[in-house]
Amino acid sequence: DAGVIQSPRHEVTEMGQEVTLRCKPISGHDYLFWYRQTMMRGLELLIYFNNNVPIDDSGMPEDRFSAKMPNASFSTLKIQPSEPRDSAVYFCASSLNWDSNEKLFFGSGTQLSVL
Amino acid sequence: DQQVKQNSPSLSVQEGRISILNCDYTNSMFDYFLWYKKYPAEGPTFLISISSIKDKNEDGRFTVFLNKSAKHLSLHIVPSQPGDSAVYFCAASVGGADGLTFGKGTHLIIQP
Repeated sequence: DAGVIQSPRHEVTEMGQEVTLRCKPISGHDYLFWYRQTMMRGLELLIYFNNNVPIDDSGMPEDRFSAKMPNASFSTLKIQPSEPRDSAVYFCASSLNWDSNEKLFFGSGTQLSVL
Repeated sequence: DQQVKQNSPSLSVQEGRISILNCDYTNSMFDYFLWYKKYPAEGPTFLISISSIKDKNEDGRFTVFLNKSAKHLSLHIVPSQPGDSAVYFCAASVGGADGLTFGKGTHLIIQP
């Protein structure tokens, strides 16, 4: 398996523009997570899905952020409108199921820069 | 409020010596702890874990120790190798059902 695939690897945009980040989880994994990494806050959980259904979005910072999972093999994280403080590395991760013995498999991340 | 704290942003260790990375947590409900390793331009990868019913777990050069009374865990790497240079994240979960809570990471630098 190719692992978790994220695109794009890098995104540079101007403040106010819409940004869409994409993720393809590992086939057969039931859980999908979106994380954001910043120097100040480290890795923060934004939202996670179980069987394509959003379970907990309490980590989504504002209404400008939204995430969807239309099918088991694809998820998007959208920021509209984007702001400079959204600049960070955004990671998607998946896991086979979620109990204490399972681990997350991360993608390589999307480096987002909002100018 | 950070529930998982890694108070050392960076750590420099000589090759061949022991590296000790520390992590503290505040949520007494956490029952599973993990360490992830991250190289630049890559996502974090799972390294080692420990359940709250244990106080030690060993995997090759890597050992994780858990002190529940102190709400503290540590990762020992011995001997340290150049390829161990990376950012190490401590993570914890409650029953695993709500995702992992990560610390900010510690950048480990192994010097030749």
